[in-house]
Amino acid sequence: DAKTTQPPSMDCAEGRAANLPCNHSTISGNEYVYWYRQIHSQGPQYIIHGLKNNETNEMASLIITEDRKSSTLILPHATLRDTAVYYCIVRASNSGYALNFGKGTSLLVTP
Amino acid sequence: GAVVSQHPSRVICKSGTSVKIECRSLDFQATTMFWYRQFPKQSLMLMATSNEGSKATYEQGVEKDKFLINHASLTLSTLTVTSAHPEDSSFYICSAKTEWGNQPQHFGDGTRLSIL
Repeated sequence: DAKTTQPPSMDCAEGRAANLPCNHSTISGNEYVYWYRQIHSQGPQYIIHGLKNNETNEMASLIITEDRKSSTLILPHATLRDTAVYYCIVRASNSGYALNFGKGTSLLVTP
Repeated sequence: GAVVSQHPSRVICKSGTSVKIECRSLDFQATTMFWYRQFPKQSLMLMATSNEGSKATYEQGVEKDKFLINHASLTLSTLTVTSAHPEDSSFYICSAKTEWGNQPQHFGDGTRLSIL
């Protein structure tokens, strides 16, 4: 699986958009970008994933650059409950292997 | 959406006790289940991968006789921490995945194990 790089921490004001970047310059053609988050003392929660097109669901939007070497997870209106560690993970879609978690980005949403 | 249920959520027990943790996929058949461990202020670390009906594959450094994994059905996997000691205290998290395409891996809410 391709390696990802994320900033260790970010702050965001409540109600504003949170834009979390991820670099994955060695991504392969068959690898998807997955985003998960982990709220303190809970299991990781799936947010969104994509291959090359931008994706949107009820939780977030995923913007993938045209060369696929980086992506941005957007939480359009951050709330205090969005405070969590956010993980960007790259993996082939048909992989039977487990997701490997790096250190992620610790997002703090402030009032 | 898919749900993975993990039980119990918290266990406190004496040293030497064996503890069993259950992981169930509630609305899909999990051909593969994964067990992770997470120490304070660290990321999740994969312990083992289990496929239904076959022996689990353990990551390097994880003792298979210490952490017994059973994946007897497509909806249930169990992790038994045998003769637990204080150093086994950790947050244990299971995850399940179907065989279908790019469906994401889903996680349980974890089990906080404290060995006194």
